[in-house]
Amino acid sequence: GNSVTQMEGPVTLSEEAFLTINCTYTATGYPSLFWYVQYPGEGLQLLLKATKADDKGSNKGFEATYRKETTSFHLEKGSVQVSDSAVYFCALSDRGAQKLVFGQGTRLTINP
Amino acid sequence: EAGVTQSPTHLIKTRGQQATLRCSPISGHTSVYWYQQALGLGLQFLLWYDEGEERNRGNFPPRFSGRQFPNYSSELNVNALELEDSALYLCASSLTGGSNQPQHFGDGTRLSIL
Repeated sequence: GNSVTQMEGPVTLSEEAFLTINCTYTATGYPSLFWYVQYPGEGLQLLLKATKADDKGSNKGFEATYRKETTSFHLEKGSVQVSDSAVYFCALSDRGAQKLVFGQGTRLTINP
Repeated sequence: EAGVTQSPTHLIKTRGQQATLRCSPISGHTSVYWYQQALGLGLQFLLWYDEGEERNRGNFPPRFSGRQFPNYSSELNVNALELEDSALYLCASSLTGGSNQPQHFGDGTRLSIL
C-alpha cells in the first residue's frame, strides 16, 4: 500500500539556520503531495502542496519539490524563526481511496 | 471565511459509553474526512463522506460510524468506547473529493476515556 516516511525527530535548530526535513513516499500511480504543520493544541494547517512531478510548492518561506525519480518531497527553509517551532507532517493523497496518508511527523524546535 | 469547526473541544467519557463528535466544513465544501491522531500511532484515516454518502472507511471497527447531513456537516459516533479510543479526532473538508483538492483541518476534538 501507499506509505510516507519522514526523517526521525525531534529536530532542534538555532534561529536563522537552514532547515531540511526529509520525506520519501511509496505509491502506485502519481499521488499529490502535501506538507502540513501542527502548532501546539491546534489542528493541521496546509503549508504547501504539489500535484505533479517537478512541481514546487512554496509558502511562508518553505519550499518542497515533487521528485518522481527519487520519490521524495523534502521540506526546506533558508532561515528558520522561533515561530516555526511545530510538528511537520508530510502526506500523500491516495487517488483511489481519496484519503491522506501521513508520515509520522517531525517535531521541530527553534531556539533563539 | 470560516474554517472547519469541530465540537466539542474536549470530551470525557468512560469505557462502554458512546461519543458523538461534530464537524462543520468550510462553506462550499462537500467532502468531509475524519482522522484519528492517537499518541504514538500518528494520523490514521477513519472515514470519508461526500454528498451525504460514505465513500470510504479506514481500518477501524464498525463501532466507529458517522453520517453527513444535507448541509454537509458531519457527525462521528463511537460506540462501546475503549481506553485505546483516547485520541485527538480531526475533521477535514475539501471542495470536492478529488485527490488534488487539499484537505483543510479543524482544531479537533480531544476524546479522553477514563
